[in-house]
Amino acid sequence: QVQLVESGGGVVQPGGSLRLSCAASGFTFSTYAMHWVRQAPGKGLEWVAFIGDDGSEKYYADSVKGRFIISRDSSKNTLFLQMNNLGAEDTAVYTCAKERDRSGYFDHWGQGTLVTVSS
Amino acid sequence: SYVLTQPPSVSVAPGQTARISCGGNNIGSKSVHWYQQRPGQAPVVVVYDDSDRPSGIPERFSGSNSGNTATLNISRVEAGDEADYYCQVWDSSSGHHVFGTGTKVTVL
Repeated sequence: QVQLVESGGGVVQPGGSLRLSCAASGFTFSTYAMHWVRQAPGKGLEWVAFIGDDGSEKYYADSVKGRFIISRDSSKNTLFLQMNNLGAEDTAVYTCAKERDRSGYFDHWGQGTLVTVSS
Repeated sequence: SYVLTQPPSVSVAPGQTARISCGGNNIGSKSVHWYQQRPGQAPVVVVYDDSDRPSGIPERFSGSNSGNTATLNISRVEAGDEADYYCQVWDSSSGHHVFGTGTKVTVL
C-alpha cells in the first residue's frame, strides 16, 4: 500500500533553514507528481509546492516562492523541501501528498512533520 | 491569486443533508475536489472532478459545480461525518493548487 513518511521537522530560529524529507513506498515514485501542503496550528490547508514526475516542472505558492525549494530523488524514492529564511508564519505541520495521475487532486497523504519557527 | 471561499461552519442534525459551498470566480470551468479531515488525521478525498467518488466513499457524498459555486452534499448525515471539509482546485493560469478556507461540519 502507498506510504508517505515525512521527517526533518523541528524547532528553528527565525531566519534559519530546515530540510524536510518524505520517504515514499508502495508505488512507482518516479511516475507521479508530488506536493507539499502545510497547515498552521488551528488553521486550514495551504498548498506549498509541486514537482512533476521527472523533477523538471516546479511551482510554488507565492508565500514561499524564493525561499523554499522542492526536489526529488527517484533513486531513493524521496521528496524534499528545503526551507530557507524561515519566519513565524511558516510554523505549521508540513505534509507530502501524491497527486493522482496529474488529475489535480491528492489521493494519498503523509501524516506530516511539525515545523516551529521560534526564538 | 485564485481564491476559494467556504462558510466557516455548517451544523446539521443526524439524518439530514449538509450542504457546503465553495465560491470562486468562474469555478464552474475548473475541476473541484473535496477533502474530509478529521481531527489529528490527514485529509481524505471524498469527491474529485466535481462529482466523482473514490472507491470506498459512501454514495451519501456527492458534488456539483456550476457558475461561481461548487457544492458538496452529505446526505443522511451521521456522527462520523463530523470533520473539516476543504474544496480544492488547480488554477491553470498560475500552475498553483488552491484550497478553500475550510468548513467545520458539526452534527447536532
